[in-house]
Amino acid sequence: AQSVTQLDSQVPVFEEAPVELRCNYSSSVSVYLFWYVQYPNQGLQLLLKYLSGSTLVKGINGFEAEFNKSQTSFHLRKPSVHISDTAEYFCAVSRAGSYQLTFGKGTKLSVIP
Amino acid sequence: NAGVTQTPKFQVLKTGQSMTLQCAQDMNHNSMYWYRQDPGMGLRLIYYSASEGTTDKGEVPNGYNVSRLNKREFSLRLESAAPSQTSVYFCASSELRYEQYFGPGTRLTVT
Repeated sequence: AQSVTQLDSQVPVFEEAPVELRCNYSSSVSVYLFWYVQYPNQGLQLLLKYLSGSTLVKGINGFEAEFNKSQTSFHLRKPSVHISDTAEYFCAVSRAGSYQLTFGKGTKLSVIP
Repeated sequence: NAGVTQTPKFQVLKTGQSMTLQCAQDMNHNSMYWYRQDPGMGLRLIYYSASEGTTDKGEVPNGYNVSRLNKREFSLRLESAAPSQTSVYFCASSELRYEQYFGPGTRLTVT
């Protein structure tokens, strides 16, 4: 079975500063990796995904993530955050070919004006 | 397109009552899912339906039943609600297994 660890439950950052949200996973088989964002009182929206190929993945709203197989990590980055990025971010993993997503516990990003 | 819709948005139940959460999608997706979200726990899969006519248990199926009514609709039933089922419930759908689209959620409180 796979599991996901999001290392920070809350991350405060000043507006226009860079941010990194950390995610580590464990799995004995090939996996797909995802980042979702949840704005207050809304459902989840897919930010980006890694299925195969280039380890640097670009998503919506200027976010990107890098798949590092040796460190079993999939950290999310943005070079300059905006107030509108304040939300909760979830890392998720799926065993290749599976219907089931396993989510991390989430990281709340607070952007400070 | 409305995407994934869920009804109701809010519900309060007493312990032992039953109810059905409704979910519909208009994207012609084959697969549908039910999750629950609890503070500090992330999302956990309750049941999923890979295609019309099939359903499978996820990580936390106890206390729930599901019905895939047709390709569009996937309902979640609580037969005898318990306070431990107080949560926010999300429905999702996907065409590709790994790209799920989520509804706005149903906030359920069991007293």
